[in-house]
Amino acid sequence: AQKITQTQPGMFVQEKEAVTLDCTYDTSDQSYGLFWYKQPSSGEMIFLIYQGSYDEQNATEGRYSLNFQKARKSANLVISASQLGDSAMYFCAMRVNTGNQFYFGTGTSLTVIP
Amino acid sequence: SQTIHQWPATLVQPVGSPLSLECTVEGTSNPNLYWYRQAAGRGLQLLFYSVGIGQISSEVPQNLSASRPQDRQFILSSKKLLLSDSGFYLCAWSIGGLGVYEQYFGPGTRLTVT
Repeated sequence: AQKITQTQPGMFVQEKEAVTLDCTYDTSDQSYGLFWYKQPSSGEMIFLIYQGSYDEQNATEGRYSLNFQKARKSANLVISASQLGDSAMYFCAMRVNTGNQFYFGTGTSLTVIP
Repeated sequence: SQTIHQWPATLVQPVGSPLSLECTVEGTSNPNLYWYRQAAGRGLQLLFYSVGIGQISSEVPQNLSASRPQDRQFILSSKKLLLSDSGFYLCAWSIGGLGVYEQYFGPGTRLTVT
C-alpha cells in the first residue's frame, strides 16, 4: 500500500526567508513519482514540482526545490525567498508506475508573514 | 497546450435532488481522468478514476457515480444528494498509459447541499 505523510498542519515563515515543508512516503514499488501541489484560497490545485524515483538530481523549478532523500523516503519541498503569495495549502502526492491512482498527504498550511 | 474545464463553479442543491458535474479536457488524447472531493479544510478524497471510455474505477462506495461517455469527458452524478455530499469537487487529468506523470486539476465546483 502507498502512503503519504505530512506532519506539519501549519507553518509560518517570514517574507524573503526560506521554508521547508516535510513529506514522507511509503511504497514497496521501485518506480514512482513524487509531486507537490499548491492550493491557494481560491481552491485550484496548482502543480509545482515533480521528482522521479530514479532521478539522481533533486528537482528544481524556480524558487521551488525538492529535497529527495530516497533512503529515508522523504521528499521535502523547499521554497526559497518566500513571498506573500506563497501563503496557501501545500499537498505532497505520489503515484507508482504500476497504478493510476495518486496518493495525497493531508496538507500543510503555509502562512507568509510580512 | 492542455486545458481542463469544469462546471459549474458553484452549486447549491437541496437534499434529495440529482447532481451532474461535468469535466472536459482539451489538447490531449486518452487521458486518465479523476474525480476528487475535498471537505472544508481537509485533504483530497479520490472518488473515481478512468483510464478510458466507459472504464470507471470507484474508490468510495457512495450514492455517487461517474461516467466517461467520450474520451475527454468525465461526468460525476448522483440521483439523490445527501447533506454529506457537500464539498469541493475537483476533476483532474494525467497522461494515460505507462509512466508516471503529473496530474493537472480543473478549477473545481463548490457544492452546498441544503
